[in-house]
Amino acid sequence: ETGVTQSPTHLIKTRGQQVTLRCSSQSGHNTVSWYQQALGQGPQFIFQYYREEENGRGNFPPRFSGLQFPNYSSELNVNALELDDSALYLCASSLGGGVPTGELFFGEGSRLTVL
Amino acid sequence: EDQVTQSPEALRLQEGESSSLNCSYTVSGLRGLFWYRQDPGKGPEFLFTLYSAGEEKEKERLKATLTKKESFLHITAPKPEDSATYLCAVQTSASKLTFGTGTRLQVTL
Repeated sequence: ETGVTQSPTHLIKTRGQQVTLRCSSQSGHNTVSWYQQALGQGPQFIFQYYREEENGRGNFPPRFSGLQFPNYSSELNVNALELDDSALYLCASSLGGGVPTGELFFGEGSRLTVL
Repeated sequence: EDQVTQSPEALRLQEGESSSLNCSYTVSGLRGLFWYRQDPGKGPEFLFTLYSAGEEKEKERLKATLTKKESFLHITAPKPEDSATYLCAVQTSASKLTFGTGTRLQVTL
């Protein structure tokens, strides 16, 4: 059984650029959530995908967008990067058919630095 | 707005010195409270789910308890490998977990 894998692990971008982060969910998990974790803070909910549809969103602007594919893998896209977007981006998968139990399986994250 | 507050921010214990971490919450309709462990540079690892006041869960040296306003994570006779950041989270909607900022635990020999 493979766990949640994310890529890339580290990346550096400049302000105004766009970035795409990728996530493969744990085998058998049909729901994917994305979280942003700034240094010294807890993870903050960005959005969740189930059956290729966004079914929950946190307080993030529309320049944060995502996709889920038929194999349940997912992408997070961030446009017009700002310095404050520098953070660890965590992908989490879960069972639950779009209503997760809260038992999330996290990947190791993608560390984004915006200069 | 849902709020989760964890204390202390940091805790240093000697091996074998038991203690408790606190998670207080203000939410409208709790679906569940969760504890996670996070090692440096890694994603959080699920530990426990608690659903109702009075519930307790145990795993090795860790025990989580829940009241109507707070949860405690009790660590009995900790070892250096228990050093990590412990995160508390509440679920109030179908999709979203709201996390606290965590307690950084260091256990020394």
